[in-house]
Amino acid sequence: AQSVTQLGSHVSVSEGALVLLRCNYSSSVPPYLFWYVQYPNQGLQLLLKYTSAATLVKGINGFEAEFKKSETSFHLTKPSAHMSDAAEYFCAVSDKGYSSASKIIFGSGTRLSIRP
Amino acid sequence: DGGITQSPKYLFRKEGQNVTLSCEQNLNHDAMYWYRQDPGQGLRLIYYSQIVNDFQKGDIAEGYSVSREKKESFPLTVTSAQKNPTAFYLCASGQGRTGELFFGEGSRLTVL
Repeated sequence: AQSVTQLGSHVSVSEGALVLLRCNYSSSVPPYLFWYVQYPNQGLQLLLKYTSAATLVKGINGFEAEFKKSETSFHLTKPSAHMSDAAEYFCAVSDKGYSSASKIIFGSGTRLSIRP
Repeated sequence: DGGITQSPKYLFRKEGQNVTLSCEQNLNHDAMYWYRQDPGQGLRLIYYSQIVNDFQKGDIAEGYSVSREKKESFPLTVTSAQKNPTAFYLCASGQGRTGELFFGEGSRLTVL
């Protein structure tokens, strides 16, 4: 069965610093992987996704993630943090066993805080 | 505009009462999902449906029920059997094998 582990429930960085949010996955088949962002009292919004094409995936708002099969990782990065990046971030993995839909498993989330 | 609409946004109920949360989508997606979100626990899957008149239990289905009579609608009932119903509930829809989900704004249920 698929699973996702996010290391660090809370990450704090200074404005302009590098953002690194860690995600490791477990999957018996080549996975589809996702990063979502959630602002307070709102639903989730897709940041980026990996679907077995390029291993370096670029998303919205300057975020990117690299799929590393040997490390079973899909860490999210952004070169320079902005105050508007403060939110909760979720890594997710898709069970690709269905023809028309996928069972998506989410990590426990990482809250990102930005210091002025 | 296309999207997912959840209602109500906030809901207060007394212990022992059943509550139904609405979820409607106009994205023409086949699959729909209900997740529960608690602080520090991420999102946990309650039920999902791949097609009309069919649905499957997720990881925490006990105390919940759903129906899928129309492609656009996937209501969730939180029954009195759910021991700790106070939570933030998120509905989502998706299409195809890429698994990308589109979320509603959520419904916050507080049981007094």
